[in-house]
Amino acid sequence: GQQVMQIPQYQHVQEGEDFTTYCNSSTTLSNIQWYKQRPGGHPVFLIQLVKSGEVKKQKRLTFQFGEAKKNSSLHITATQTTDVGTYFCAPGSARQLTFGSGTQLTVLP
Amino acid sequence: NAGVMQNPRHLVRRRGQEARLRCSPMKGHSHVYWYRQLPEEGLKFMVYLQKENIIDESGMPKERFSAEFPKEGPSILRIQQVVRGDSAAYFCASSLTTGTGVNEQFFGPGTRLTVL
Repeated sequence: GQQVMQIPQYQHVQEGEDFTTYCNSSTTLSNIQWYKQRPGGHPVFLIQLVKSGEVKKQKRLTFQFGEAKKNSSLHITATQTTDVGTYFCAPGSARQLTFGSGTQLTVLP
Repeated sequence: NAGVMQNPRHLVRRRGQEARLRCSPMKGHSHVYWYRQLPEEGLKFMVYLQKENIIDESGMPKERFSAEFPKEGPSILRIQQVVRGDSAAYFCASSLTTGTGVNEQFFGPGTRLTVL
């Protein structure tokens, strides 16, 4: 599988602040998926990015795929307590997902 | 439409015993994946199966671990002679296709294995 580095590992924010997590690869990725895992829960698919420079929005979440398709980011505007969880990027191939180490987000009320 | 089902949700075994984890994919899904997650870590791919076939087992430990997805019934992840290091959450996921398009994987609730 393709290896990715995800930063930061942990992030604490006050409710209402913005949050960004980054996913970096040394090789070109064919696509990348993002998942969210709540504490004690299972990963839930958020989005898949395929095209170079692609930007997708889901309400307060903005996902980007770099022009070189080697990095991706997830930005949350005005965090809420419901955003708590670990966010994973996962480059995909036809056979498997390779999950990054995740960014654990804590939102303080 | 029921989601991915896994059982048991929690499993406790003593060292040397066998663990059997079961996964029923979403209706209509023929692709099944198993992942292992250690505490505070990401998910590590173990194996990818289609009905009656192992497609990719590059993430499976060479010994003691096996997986199957029979024509009828759930997919089974089997761990023989468990050791403490096998304690983890094991997640199953299924997908509709691995072709072009969005290849979303739907995850089950996981089986938390504890080896005493």
